[in-house]
Amino acid sequence: GAVVSQHPSWVICKSGTSVKIECRSLDFQATTMFWYRQFPKQSLMLMATSNEGSKATYEQGVEKDKFLINHASLTLSTLTVTSAHPEDSSFYICSARETGGRQETQYFGPGTRLLVL
Amino acid sequence: GQQLNQSPQSMFIQEGEDVSMNCTSSSIFNTWLWYKQDPGEGPVLLIALYKAGELTSNGRLTAQFGITRKDSFLNISASIPSDVGIYFCAGRLEGAQKLVFGQGTRLTINP
Repeated sequence: GAVVSQHPSWVICKSGTSVKIECRSLDFQATTMFWYRQFPKQSLMLMATSNEGSKATYEQGVEKDKFLINHASLTLSTLTVTSAHPEDSSFYICSARETGGRQETQYFGPGTRLLVL
Repeated sequence: GQQLNQSPQSMFIQEGEDVSMNCTSSSIFNTWLWYKQDPGEGPVLLIALYKAGELTSNGRLTAQFGITRKDSFLNISASIPSDVGIYFCAGRLEGAQKLVFGQGTRLTINP
């Protein structure tokens, strides 16, 4: 299957700093990427949908000024957690949608664990 | 928001047993995807289904797209220890970009 990479895999930062997470589709072009957040023992919670070359669409309750998303190319989307606080600590997972013919599917990155002290 | 009802929430089985889990919804989906997630990692795609009634296998895994387009099941035959993990179903509504996820089924296997 298609490969999606995420970097970094984990990060520890001080409260008030900003953290950038990169998501790359390695062997396919993704016009659409998604950012999820996952709390322990829970399902994935969609934060935003990122379309290449346009503004991201945020889910209700997700602060767009807090979680900045940039989808500058067909293979790269970034999520920046601005002025991170301990409550932002979580597991962040990106996903890229592969389109081809009539079939579309979605592949996930390995996730980034963020710990804000 | 839209939800998928995934059951069971957890399963405790003996190695070698078969496993069955399913997802249902009140809405019609045009795509069903099944993922497995290991601790600390992202979900890995197991099977993708695109047509009502479609039955697809991937090794010991078999999944079907319900004929009503409102449900899907995943079967695992002859379970082995590495099958342990959390399994998620996900569906995409017609014309939608985003997936709707089930709550997950946590599979535990006793050797």
